[in-house]
Parts: sequence; structure tokens; C-alpha cells
Amino acid sequence: DAKTTQPPSMDCAEGRAANLPCNHSTISGNEYVYWYRQIHSQGPQYIIHGLKNNETNEMASLIITEDRKSSTLILPHATLRDTAVYYCIVRAITGNQFYFGTGTSLTVIP
Amino acid sequence: GAVVSQHPSWVICKSGTSVKIECRSLDFQATTMFWYRQFPKQSLMLMATSNEGSKATYEQGVEKDKFLINHASLTLSTLTVTSAHPEDSSFYICSASSGRGLANEQFFGPGTRLTVL
Repeated sequence: DAKTTQPPSMDCAEGRAANLPCNHSTISGNEYVYWYRQIHSQGPQYIIHGLKNNETNEMASLIITEDRKSSTLILPHATLRDTAVYYCIVRAITGNQFYFGTGTSLTVIP
Repeated sequence: GAVVSQHPSWVICKSGTSVKIECRSLDFQATTMFWYRQFPKQSLMLMATSNEGSKATYEQGVEKDKFLINHASLTLSTLTVTSAHPEDSSFYICSASSGRGLANEQFFGPGTRLTVL
């Protein structure tokens, strides 16, 4: 079962930062936070993951609160191509399965 | 790197027929592969987990005799929907993991859209 809660939808102006929140209040000490996104009718695409430190890559930044009960995915300069459903998933380090929650449908507006 | 392909990308079949979907890891060896199903406007639902050379583990509520999974090699897994019916129409997505690294990342295929008439 999914252990995350995300807002169902968000809008963001093109060129602005998109901040997508995720609540994972029951996360365990050995569980990572992963973010994937799914553009309509395609397979999910990996974005970023983290354990407890903030992470940044070429796509996004991941900010994890000190108590690890929530996190925020930041797309620094959203483009129209970032319109997608964004999924936040928690999973144990040695785990296999991903259980997807309902995700956040992000719409980037021109 | 880390590319996963699926074939076919879409298929239409008559009710009662069986359909096979292939999932391949193109540039890495996938010790574990996963199959998901996604209905319109819904999230991905994990159907089963398969490890190379062993029987698949199905999630609760997924009929193993209806959704046959074979993972005969480290680069290929197949999902066969037997005696398909219109309610099996869905978007089927596979993912693959090499089992390496702390993050044990999964790489997803592009999906196969099945329509049963």
C-alpha cells in the first residue's frame, strides 16, 4: 500500500519554480523517498531520490524535512513539457516493490 | 543506459483470446521485473514481481492463472493475459531492476495499451 499523501493537482506558471509536496509521516528509518513522473500514456520516468539529505540533479531538487515526515520536489524553472503526474514513493533500501499513490497532476500554464 | 522496452506498444484483440506482452531490458541484466496495470485516470497498480528463473509473486487480488508471467532470462519477461475480456482493457507497464546499488532503482518501460473488444 502507498504510504504517501500528495495534493491531487497543482498549476504552475511556465518559467516559475514548481514545488510539489509529499507527506510520508509513517516513513521508516531505512526507507528512501523516490520521485517519478508520468507523462500521459507513457511509462513513469525517474526524477530523483533521497534518504535524509537534500538532493539535487539536472532535473530537480528534493528537500526532505529533518524529521523525514515530508518532502518537496522542486522543478526550478517549469516548462510546458513538465506537465505530468508526479508520484512520491517511499521504499526500503533493500526493498523491491514500488507502490504508487495517487500522485499530483501538475499543469504548467503558458 | 538503463532502457526498458515493451512490445507491442498497443494491441487490440477479441474477447476470449490470449495476448502476450514482452518486456526487455536492453542494456542491463534485470534480476527482477515488475508488472503494473493502469486504468484511465488512475494510478499504477502493481500486479506481480518476478525474479529470473523463479515463479512470479502476485499481489493480492491478481489472478495468477489469468495473468501468466514468465521471466526466463535476465533481459526478458513476458505477461500473457489469458482469455482476455473487455474489463482487462488497460495500460500495462513493466519495470526492471538490476538489484544493484543502494537505491535499487527501477526502470520503466513505455507501456502497452491493451483493448479487448
